[in-house]
Amino acid sequence: GDSVTQMEGPVTLSEEAFLTINCTYTATGYPSLFWYVQYPGEGLQLLLKATKADDKGSNKGFEATYRKETTSFHLEKGSVQVSDSAVYFCAEGGAGSYQLTFGKGTKLSVIP
Amino acid sequence: NAGVMQNPRHLVRRRGQEARLRCSPVKGHSHVYWYRQLPEEGLKFMVYLQKENIIDESGMPKERFSAEFPKEGPSILRIQQVVRGDSAAYFCASSTDGSVGPQHFGDGTRLSIL
Repeated sequence: GDSVTQMEGPVTLSEEAFLTINCTYTATGYPSLFWYVQYPGEGLQLLLKATKADDKGSNKGFEATYRKETTSFHLEKGSVQVSDSAVYFCAEGGAGSYQLTFGKGTKLSVIP
Repeated sequence: NAGVMQNPRHLVRRRGQEARLRCSPVKGHSHVYWYRQLPEEGLKFMVYLQKENIIDESGMPKERFSAEFPKEGPSILRIQQVVRGDSAAYFCASSTDGSVGPQHFGDGTRLSIL
């Protein structure tokens, strides 16, 4: 079946550092791609999404570009804040599907 | 506008007991999904329901687990005769249609089995 692989954490960065969390997927065709964020003790919140090749999703300073040629959807942020500390999940959903397939999550800790 | 509401937030059960997890979707959403998150793992799809219908339960264990979404009231995920391996966070999501984008998630129910 389809799978999503994201870089293992935990990732610890200093405030204002650059963030990259890698994500690749195996689904064929043109799945929709998502990044969700989970703050401690809470559910998942949609951070950003992209639905077709070369689309760039962006929100709250985070960006990710849908790269069909490398089947990737890497998450980036130019300057992280302590409040960005959370677990980040990459996910994909096939066209016409209702099942999201998630990566294992990457825990990010940002220190002052 | 209320989001997806799940209760209880935390549930402790002894082995052999029953666990009932409730989910009220976003108002106006008629499509509900349950996912399970084991420690250090991503979420895994369990079941997809519409009002009064189970559409896909392929991710749900065939024994001891059941789900419903009645015409009135919340969706219920029921686990009978719980075992230690059922300890996990169970998340409910809802959407306006049967698709992946976007699904709105609740805060989850963290089930602990003693």
